[in-house]
Amino acid sequence: GAVVSQHPSWVICKSGTSVKIECRSLDFQATTMFWYRQFPKQSLMLMATSNEGSKATYEQGVEKDKFLINHASLTLSTLTVTSAHPEDSSFYICSARSGGGETQYFGPGTRLLVL
Amino acid sequence: GNSVTQMEGPVTLSEEAFLTINCTYTATGYPSLFWYVQYPGEGLQLLLKATKADDKGSNKGFEATYRKETTSFHLEKGSVQVSDSAVYFCALITTQGGSEKLVFGKGMKLTVNP
Repeated sequence: GAVVSQHPSWVICKSGTSVKIECRSLDFQATTMFWYRQFPKQSLMLMATSNEGSKATYEQGVEKDKFLINHASLTLSTLTVTSAHPEDSSFYICSARSGGGETQYFGPGTRLLVL
Repeated sequence: GNSVTQMEGPVTLSEEAFLTINCTYTATGYPSLFWYVQYPGEGLQLLLKATKADDKGSNKGFEATYRKETTSFHLEKGSVQVSDSAVYFCALITTQGGSEKLVFGKGMKLTVNP
């Protein structure tokens, strides 16, 4: 089946630094990628939707200048958390979908801890 | 707005026990309904889905029926195995503003003991 990877799986950083998370579709071309955030004991919350070659669409309440998303190729999307603060600590999950399909394929997630 | 409510765990069962995980939804229009499963250390995987009322999704011994009258999509399995230990998410897809969005429940952790 379709495989999506994320890197890194774990990251710890100091407050004020920026962190980049990569999401790759390994065996299919992902025209659309999604970024989710999950707090403990909460559901996954969609942060943004990105289509290859165009700007990401952010959900209400998500700061686009803080969470920079780049979807430069059909197999790679990146999420950069800029000037991270402890409240940004969370589990970030990406998913990818090929053109014309409804099914999203999920990555294993990246756990971010900001000290 | 659109939302999914599912029973919260964690739940621990013995092998071969019957499993039901309740899921109800609120949505405008006619959403597609999904169950995703997340095994330890892995990403979410689609378990089964149903796209219209009275459809039954099934996979790996799991079943769920799209009940429009009760706005429910309960997941069932007649005899669970240790390998079914995972977190289960109920979800729906809606089309808002021309784009499809997955809305998830909180997830329920299931542990099956031998």
